[in-house]
Amino acid sequence: GENVEQHPSTLSVQEGDSAVIKCTYSDSASNYFPWYKQELGKGPQLIIDIRSNVGEKKDQRIAVTLNKTAKHFSLHITETQPEDSAVYFCAAKYGRGSTLGRLYFGRGTQLTVWP
Amino acid sequence: DAMVIQNPRYQVTQFGKPVTLSCSQTLNHNVMYWYQQKSSQAPKLLFHYYDKDFNNEADTPDNFQSRRPNTSFCFLDIRSPGLGDAAMYLCATSSVRENHEQYFGPGTRLTVT
Repeated sequence: GENVEQHPSTLSVQEGDSAVIKCTYSDSASNYFPWYKQELGKGPQLIIDIRSNVGEKKDQRIAVTLNKTAKHFSLHITETQPEDSAVYFCAAKYGRGSTLGRLYFGRGTQLTVWP
Repeated sequence: DAMVIQNPRYQVTQFGKPVTLSCSQTLNHNVMYWYQQKSSQAPKLLFHYYDKDFNNEADTPDNFQSRRPNTSFCFLDIRSPGLGDAAMYLCATSSVRENHEQYFGPGTRLTVT
């Protein structure tokens, strides 16, 4: 099966600075890479995703990059705000047959943005 | 508007006393998932339903069962909860129409006393 590694496990930044979270995956068959934000006591919320036919995707202050050759993808948050503080999970989709849609998660990054 | 709803949000049960957690969805998605998430860990997939087809993960204990009586509802049954089953239980849904992007509910926090 797929193995997703995520770094760092914790990240502290000053408000207004950028934050970068990196993930690697093991299975070259993976073709969908979502990022989830999980606030305390809530379920994960999809914030951005990227598919293997795209190298970069942006949505306002958030961007994701994908390097298929290196099996590496990253989340970039610019102009961070205190409300960006949360746990961020990367994931990779490995789907064949009836298991289509199965996500493999990284271990999460606790992002803290200090005002 | 809530799309994936979980009830209750907090559940306390006694060691060994069966408990059922509920999930419903208004998205008409054909796939529903149950995840277990322990503190400071990633969600761990327990099983999923693809339409009516049940798919159990190999390492999911027999103590965990699931039912999906219709498209909208899915239940997680824990037959004899142990202290190690205390966790957040997350329900998610996806659809082939939306390339199986997963939408999560808010979770049910289970405490075992």
